[in-house]
Amino acid sequence: GENVEQHPSTLSVQEGDSAVIKCTYSDSASNYFPWYKQELGKGPQLIIDIRSNVGEKKDQRIAVTLNKTAKHFSLHITETQPEDSAVYFCAASGGSYIPTFGRGTSLIVHP
Amino acid sequence: NAGVTQTPKFRVLKTGQSMTLLCAQDMNHEYMYWYRQDPGMGLRLIHYSVGEGTTAKGEVPDGYNVSRLKKQNFLLGLESAAPSQTSVYFCATTLLGSYNEQFFGPGTRLTVL
Repeated sequence: GENVEQHPSTLSVQEGDSAVIKCTYSDSASNYFPWYKQELGKGPQLIIDIRSNVGEKKDQRIAVTLNKTAKHFSLHITETQPEDSAVYFCAASGGSYIPTFGRGTSLIVHP
Repeated sequence: NAGVTQTPKFRVLKTGQSMTLLCAQDMNHEYMYWYRQDPGMGLRLIHYSVGEGTTAKGEVPDGYNVSRLKKQNFLLGLESAAPSQTSVYFCATTLLGSYNEQFFGPGTRLTVL
């Protein structure tokens, strides 16, 4: 089955800095890679996703890059703000309808 | 339009007691999932359903049962609760499956003493 590794587990940055979270996956059949943000006491919510026919996708301050050859994808957040503080999960899915999640990254943005 | 709701929000059980968690959705989504979230472990799939009347095991199904008698509801049952089942439980739905966004409920925090 699919295995998704996510790093780092904790990331601490100063407001205004950039943050990068990296994930690797094992199943070459995976072709959908979403990122979810989970605020304290809430369920995860999709913030951006990318499909295997695209190498990069941007939405304002967030971007995701995908390298299918190396089987890794990354989340980039620029100009971080305190409200970006949350837990972020990457996931991968392919032929099945069951996504495999990474273990999460706790992002802390210091004012 | 409530989206995905979960009942109850909090619950404390004693070892050996039973309970049912309810997930309800008004988005007409076909697929529904139950996850548990433990510190440092991410989201682990317990059971899922691809449509009314169907269920299947996920990564960590032992000690849990599920039912999907109606399309909009997905029930998670614990027949004999154990302290290892202390966790936060999330329900999620998707419209079609792997190429679509998952919508999560607000979670149920369960403590088994």
